Formats: sequence, structure tokens, C-alpha cells
Amino acid sequence: GQNIDQPTEMTATEGAIVQINCTYQTSGFNGLFWYQQHAGEAPTFLSYNVLDGLEEKGRFSSFLSRSKGYSYLLLKELQMKDSASYLCAVSCDYKLSFGAGTTVTVRA
Amino acid sequence: KAGVTQTPRYLIKTRGQQVTLSCSPISGHRSVSWYQQTPGQGLQFLFEYFSETQRNKGNFPGRFSGRQFSNSRSEMNVSTLELGDSALYLCASSLTSGYAGYTFGSGTRLTVV
Repeated sequence: GQNIDQPTEMTATEGAIVQINCTYQTSGFNGLFWYQQHAGEAPTFLSYNVLDGLEEKGRFSSFLSRSKGYSYLLLKELQMKDSASYLCAVSCDYKLSFGAGTTVTVRA
Repeated sequence: KAGVTQTPRYLIKTRGQQVTLSCSPISGHRSVSWYQQTPGQGLQFLFEYFSETQRNKGNFPGRFSGRQFSNSRSEMNVSTLELGDSALYLCASSLTSGYAGYTFGSGTRLTVV
């Protein structure tokens, strides 16, 4: 089976940094995705990690440790528009298995 | 380049009816997968198609079915609708098997009354 855990909610101040952790135990692994989803909208792709290490893309970075079954998404210089749900998803056997999502609220 | 197109955007059906949802992937994408999103269960995988073949199926009852056409467009069908089928149904397309990333459509919001 698949078990993907991430915190339910996080709150941070505009301009700050937030780190969203994701731990997974899955029967297979082809890579780990992070998606952002605003209320009522489709998930949008943020990052993809298949090898261990850090992937940086602008204000967003994602880290993966396959031996620990662990990933994190780092959001820097938070903006109000970053208030959204962040979804961790593991890819295996032509499907994505999602965590429940972390709702990030950015306050002024 | 057009994104993933899902139709209709909103749908209201009565218990016991059946419904068909449509998904047109990004041009050139041959993999189409379907997900159900509800507040209680989050995003759950329904099935994935590649070149008209179903390669994987999630843990949903047989009332949920799908197919893919030669032009990669896909449809999913839910028969004998139940109140619990009310959800956002999302389609995602990928170039091949997902390594290049999945792009999601805006979804179809299905309400069963």
C-alpha cells in the first residue's frame, strides 16, 4: 500500500520561509512531485525529484532522500499569493499517490 | 499551446443516473489519467490510459470506467450514481509515463443529489 504523510496546516508571515515535510512509504518509487493547488483550481506542477538532493527553482526548492523516504518543499520570500494547498505525490506504476495536502496560509 | 481541457466544468445529476466526463490532453501527450478529489479522501487515482490501453486502475468499484480514443482523448463514465460520488474529477495528461510531469485540467465538479 501507499502511505504519504504531510502536515495538515502551516501559517507563516509574508517574506518568511516555510518548509513542508513529506514522508512516504510506498510499494514502488519512480519519483516525487510537489503540486500547488489554489481553492477551486487545478493542481499546478512545482517540482520533481527522482534522485537524492536539492532541486532549486526560483523561490521554491525541493529535497529528496530516498533512503529515508523523505522530501521537503521550501518556499522562500513568501508572498500572499502563495496561500494554497501543497500536495506531495509519489509516482509509481503510471499513477500518482498523493498526500492529503498541506494548507499554507500567508499572513501580512 | 492549449492545456488539458475537461468538459463539462459543472454537472448536477440525480442518484441512480449515469454520467460521462471528457478530457482532451495536451497535443502530443499520450498518457491520460483520472483522479477523484474530495475533502475527506483527498486526491485518489482512478485509472490511467496510454495509447488506448488501461495500464493501471485504482481501488474504485466497477461503476467507474474509462476509455481512451485513438486521438488520446479520454472519457470516464460513472454508472448508478451515489451521493458519495460527488467530487471534483481531475484529468491529467503526460507525454509518456509521467516522468515528464503531469499537467492537470481544471476538473469537472460533479454533484449528485
